[in-house]
Amino acid sequence: AQTVTQSQPEMSVQEAETVTLSCTYDTSESDYYLFWYKQPPSRQMILVIRQEAYKQQNATENRFSVNFQKAAKSFSLKISDSQLGDAAMYFCAYRLPGGGADGLTFGKGTHLIIQP
Amino acid sequence: DTGVSQDPRHKITKRGQNVTFRCDPISEHNRLYWYRQTLGQGPEFLTYFQNEAQLEKSRLLSDRFSAERPKGSFSTLEIQRTEQGDSAMYLCASSLASGTEQYFGPGTRLTVT
Repeated sequence: AQTVTQSQPEMSVQEAETVTLSCTYDTSESDYYLFWYKQPPSRQMILVIRQEAYKQQNATENRFSVNFQKAAKSFSLKISDSQLGDAAMYFCAYRLPGGGADGLTFGKGTHLIIQP
Repeated sequence: DTGVSQDPRHKITKRGQNVTFRCDPISEHNRLYWYRQTLGQGPEFLTYFQNEAQLEKSRLLSDRFSAERPKGSFSTLEIQRTEQGDSAMYLCASSLASGTEQYFGPGTRLTVT
């Protein structure tokens, strides 16, 4: 079974600084998707960024970028120029490419605090 | 267009009672997912539908849980004989097709007393 581990229960960063959230996963599959989701205090989950395992290039979305290390099964999220609105729970998630098994497997999350 | 909606947003029930939650996906999304999130944990997958067909069920979905999506639009999740361990946030998500982004609803928070 696939597992996703987020080893940082909480992280704190000064506004405008850069922070990196860690995620490791375990799978025997070679083709899969990885995601970072943000869950603000209102609790509606929002997709931040996704990465296809077959792509070597790291995904980027504006201030958000990932460092995907397939051999190490590591998938970290870097947030540049942190803003107060980035404060939330961040969840790393894994999913197979589709077809029969389409549910997401989530880590336990990292609570990100932005210090003004 | 509205996003995924869930009703009710909060439900308090006594142990042993049955509860039913509703999820309305984004229109034209043919995949619908249910997840459960307990305090301090990430969401855990329960089940999903493609149109009206239930294609996958997690081992977390005990026989007290049942989900339906009768016309391939909204879905209901029923929990029979609720237990205190069922207290959690129940999240619904939908996607256009297999392998595409899942959009989440605001969740239904269940408290079993």
